[in-house]
Amino acid sequence: LAKTTQPISMDSYEGQEVNITCSHNNIATNDYITWYQQFPSQGPRFIIQGYKTKVTNEVASLFIPADRKSSTLSLPRVSLSDTAVYYCLVGLNDYKLSFGAGTTVTVRA
Amino acid sequence: ETGVTQTPRHLVMGMTNKKSLKCEQHLGHNAMYWYKQSAKKPLELMFVYSLEERVENNSVPSRFSPECPNSSHLFLHLHTLQPEDSALYLCASSQRAPGQGIGVYEQYFGPGTRLTVT
Repeated sequence: LAKTTQPISMDSYEGQEVNITCSHNNIATNDYITWYQQFPSQGPRFIIQGYKTKVTNEVASLFIPADRKSSTLSLPRVSLSDTAVYYCLVGLNDYKLSFGAGTTVTVRA
Repeated sequence: ETGVTQTPRHLVMGMTNKKSLKCEQHLGHNAMYWYKQSAKKPLELMFVYSLEERVENNSVPSRFSPECPNSSHLFLHLHTLQPEDSALYLCASSQRAPGQGIGVYEQYFGPGTRLTVT
């Protein structure tokens, strides 16, 4: 089971780029890396997923080095509404998914 | 609105009670999941129903009993719970191809049921 480790919290200001790194040293060959965002009183919401190198969508980028032992979620130009908890998920198969404990990102004006 | 609804949103129950949590998905997915989210702990995947068949998870106590009558509905039956079972219980759904791991798929989560066991 790939154990995932993330920073507990990060502070930022509006307009800045936020980078959150997740460590997953024993990631398996077939494991995917997925990031979710969660607001209070809501369930997690999918942000982005990748397997290797770089993936970009309309809200974020995901950077995965060649050894895949870590991954970095990049949120460009954050706004107050990006204040949330961000979770890294590593895994592929049933009951072998490993969520990180979450990173609370606080964006200030 | 993610297309996954859960009822009730809040539940307080005694240790001797029996209650059920309900989840419904309106996305046409063929896989549904129960997660437990406790304070200061990572999300724990409790049960997987894929193509209407349960994938067994022997690590979850028998006081939690899932039921999936069809691909749109999922229940979690609770009985003789302990105070440490107090948590947010989240339902999720996704599409899933036979034999493919669920980590490949984007999961859609409901808002959760906040359970307090007294």
